[in-house]
Amino acid sequence: DQQVKQNSPSLSVQEGRISILNCDYTNSMFDYFLWYKKYPAEGPTFLISISSIKDKNEDGRFTVFLNKSAKHLSLHIVPSQPGDSAVYFCAAGAYNAGNMLTFGGGTRLMVKP
Amino acid sequence: KAGVTQTPRYLIKTRGQQVTLSCSPISGHRSVSWYQQTPGQGLQFLFEYFSETQRNKGNFPGRFSGRQFSNSRSEMNVSTLELGDSALYLCASSLMAGTKNIQYFGAGTRLSVL
Repeated sequence: DQQVKQNSPSLSVQEGRISILNCDYTNSMFDYFLWYKKYPAEGPTFLISISSIKDKNEDGRFTVFLNKSAKHLSLHIVPSQPGDSAVYFCAAGAYNAGNMLTFGGGTRLMVKP
Repeated sequence: KAGVTQTPRYLIKTRGQQVTLSCSPISGHRSVSWYQQTPGQGLQFLFEYFSETQRNKGNFPGRFSGRQFSNSRSEMNVSTLELGDSALYLCASSLMAGTKNIQYFGAGTRLSVL
């Protein structure tokens, strides 16, 4: 069963507007969540993370929101830039599971100039 | 500081063969994890090594194995290759084990099994 899901395989946004990428999870034992960005022929690059005890974390243009009761997190990118076009993965981890991460299926973001 | 290095970048093998992939973590990082990425299953955790010991293992058959050396470099081996093993294999390193350490990924090894 998929414990972490990204239900939108793709998203298209105009440059300068907000991009919102969503992620749902089923396992309430996850302690932290991360977002990674992946360009073709490269490995995933870490973007931002959030602990399960927080509901928001911000880093520059990137903000992650966590709604524990809904088991839902989202990544907001404001403003979106063409260079943000990539596949975005959300991932979840638990402190008692070492560095094992459970990944969502990814969302392809296209930012149009 | 050099990033995570995976070799080779591309590999073509035939069914029944075995393959060994290599990963050099970021200097000072002691934890190395391996993931398999396929179009159908996404990114799936294979196993994690810390200080030469396997700490966690994902739900993969015993044909998938790994090891870590004293310098933290890691190798993974797949024996008796099957067509379904064709995938991008990613290695990630982090400073320590657990406690929300950020994992840094290499560019991956793309394995094609014919």
